[in-house]
Amino acid sequence: DGGITQSPKYLFRKEGQNVTLSCEQNLNHDAMYWYRQDPGQGLRLIYYSQIVNDFQKGDIAEGYSVSREKKESFPLTVTSAQKNPTAFYLCAARGRMNTGELFFGEGSRLTVL
Amino acid sequence: AQSVTQLDSHVSVSEGTPVLLRCNYSSSYSPSLFWYVQHPNKGLQLLLKYTSAATLVKGINGFEAEFKKSETSFHLTKPSAHMSDAAEYFCVVSGGDSNYQLIWGAGTKLIIKP
Repeated sequence: DGGITQSPKYLFRKEGQNVTLSCEQNLNHDAMYWYRQDPGQGLRLIYYSQIVNDFQKGDIAEGYSVSREKKESFPLTVTSAQKNPTAFYLCAARGRMNTGELFFGEGSRLTVL
Repeated sequence: AQSVTQLDSHVSVSEGTPVLLRCNYSSSYSPSLFWYVQHPNKGLQLLLKYTSAATLVKGINGFEAEFKKSETSFHLTKPSAHMSDAAEYFCVVSGGDSNYQLIWGAGTKLIIKP
């Protein structure tokens, strides 16, 4: 099936540790996105990538890093610099600029102990 | 600048009655508009989208939305609510000077009473 695969679904981290969330797509879409969602709130954009080897900061990029070495993959690293990392993280891909819809993964829930 | 306002944070309806989730937008460009649904602890699924074709857009699960340029609205409706419709709904606008970015509404939680 075509889609977006995020892993792990649940992740626990100690304070001060970096953690990497995986996002893989087989839709052959150019654009990929990472969003953060906190309880009862909407989505906030962390990073997005329009094409391989290129990415841009979103509204809340501090404490996060990404890479886009392959079209299929867009991993997100939550670094120790992120002061409040406990959240639900959503990855998405988009085929066409402006009119294309986002296709989402099932999300990764990160809890900092 | 673009913006999206979902006018209700929570909407509660009885099963079998109509649903109305309100969304107003602001855009200097001809926007594309989307409604997404999110069930608890899940990713988001596209319900429907408007991309400058027919102003009345039909989506999945019996939902539809009407694009009204004069009112800058894109309200989501369904004639008869079902228990499985209980979820959070997001209105999204795209387009403009940063075409890969999308502007998200804060979401409306739909509660269905038996």
